[in-house]
Amino acid sequence: SQQGEEDPQALSIQEGENATMNCSYKTSINNLQWYRQNSGRGLVHLILIRSNEREKHSGRLRVTLDTSKKSSSLLITASRAADTASYFCATDAHQAGTALIFGKGTTLSVSS
Amino acid sequence: KAGVTQTPRYLIKTRGQQVTLSCSPISGHRSVSWYQQTPGQGLQFLFEYFSETQRNKGNFPGRFSGRQFSNSRSEMNVSTLELGDSALYLCASSFGGSKETQYFGPGTRLLVL
Repeated sequence: SQQGEEDPQALSIQEGENATMNCSYKTSINNLQWYRQNSGRGLVHLILIRSNEREKHSGRLRVTLDTSKKSSSLLITASRAADTASYFCATDAHQAGTALIFGKGTTLSVSS
Repeated sequence: KAGVTQTPRYLIKTRGQQVTLSCSPISGHRSVSWYQQTPGQGLQFLFEYFSETQRNKGNFPGRFSGRQFSNSRSEMNVSTLELGDSALYLCASSFGGSKETQYFGPGTRLLVL
């Protein structure tokens, strides 16, 4: 079963607008990561936020983590057409012997 | 550094056949993880190899197996292919393990007819 669930499943915006994606998870985590996947290709790591962090920035990306609500959000500011991709959250659960567990992703479409 | 490479990129097989996929990790990375991606199930973890030993395993049948060589290159094998095995198979490498930041290859797209 999926640990992380992204919301919304799909998002369409215009260039220059901000895009917000949310991720909810079920069990306690050590860290949460966000990845991007361009159509049918490999995933690219965007950012990692640890369980003791609340917010992290990287360029136009802002990630927040609320461990009490078991949720995270990814904000992309001033979106560009090149940001069109699927975005996945991945959680590192506390249990030993498990790998990263990926959600099903949010598909972002940015039109010019 | 060169990125993660996967071969072949595309593959068409028929039911009952077997297939071997290859992954070369980033130089210095000892962990290689394999994932299956399908539209219905999303990204599902298959297994992780670290220093030639399987360290983690997902919930897949025994038809899915893998190995890792001393140079950290990894192969994944699927025997007795089923239609449902059609998917994008992604390999990812990291220095320390499957819970760290993963560096993904471009994937092998397998179509089973």
